[in-house]
Amino acid sequence: QVTLRESGPALVKPTQTLTLTCTFSGFSLSAPKMCVSWVRQSPGKALEWLALIDWLDDKDYKTSLKTRLSISKDTSKNQVVLTMTNMDPVDTATYYCARLDYLHGMDVWGLGTTVTVSS
Amino acid sequence: DIVMTQSPDSLAVSLGERATINCKSSQSVLFSSNNKNYLAWYQQKPGQPPRLLISLASTRASGVPDRFSGSGSETDFTLTISSLQAEDVAVYYCQQYYNSWTFGQGTKVEIK
Repeated sequence: QVTLRESGPALVKPTQTLTLTCTFSGFSLSAPKMCVSWVRQSPGKALEWLALIDWLDDKDYKTSLKTRLSISKDTSKNQVVLTMTNMDPVDTATYYCARLDYLHGMDVWGLGTTVTVSS
Repeated sequence: DIVMTQSPDSLAVSLGERATINCKSSQSVLFSSNNKNYLAWYQQKPGQPPRLLISLASTRASGVPDRFSGSGSETDFTLTISSLQAEDVAVYYCQQYYNSWTFGQGTKVEIK
């Protein structure tokens, strides 16, 4: 059974750096074609894709956020870490990680973690 | 970036009736080398994460009821719920993954 779980701070201050961890089980990120992605959703808004990392350690970022995002993986711990710098109140959202397949999309999602940016 | 535009933003359908959601991409998402459209549909119920319904424009994900179907090619796509059930009340999103990943703005489906 594939599961993913997001963890990180519930509250960050403006200008701080957010670090989120996705811990997964049921698959290996070293296996061919496996990827993990991050998606966020501001309250009452649409889904917004942020970043992904694949089994080859290739990475992709949302163009408009590229300078603020960094994604990495620890295959031995089955974890993917997303950092976002210079947080702003508009970054308040629920952040999801999902297993991703380049051919079939995001097939398994975590429950999400809510992050509020406020002083 | 490829922009995905869904229509309508919301719709209300009677139980047992058909619901149709449209999705238009700002450029083709058809990969010529394998003739596949890199377009997915997701369902999101309140308080829940999204759920993959359809990939490659028309391939249902595992466990998805056959009342959900996807169609279309290149820039124009449709998600159809053939006979709306109460449990289908949700927001539906299209997503392209031909060039990076972008979602549409979502379509809210309610019971009339």
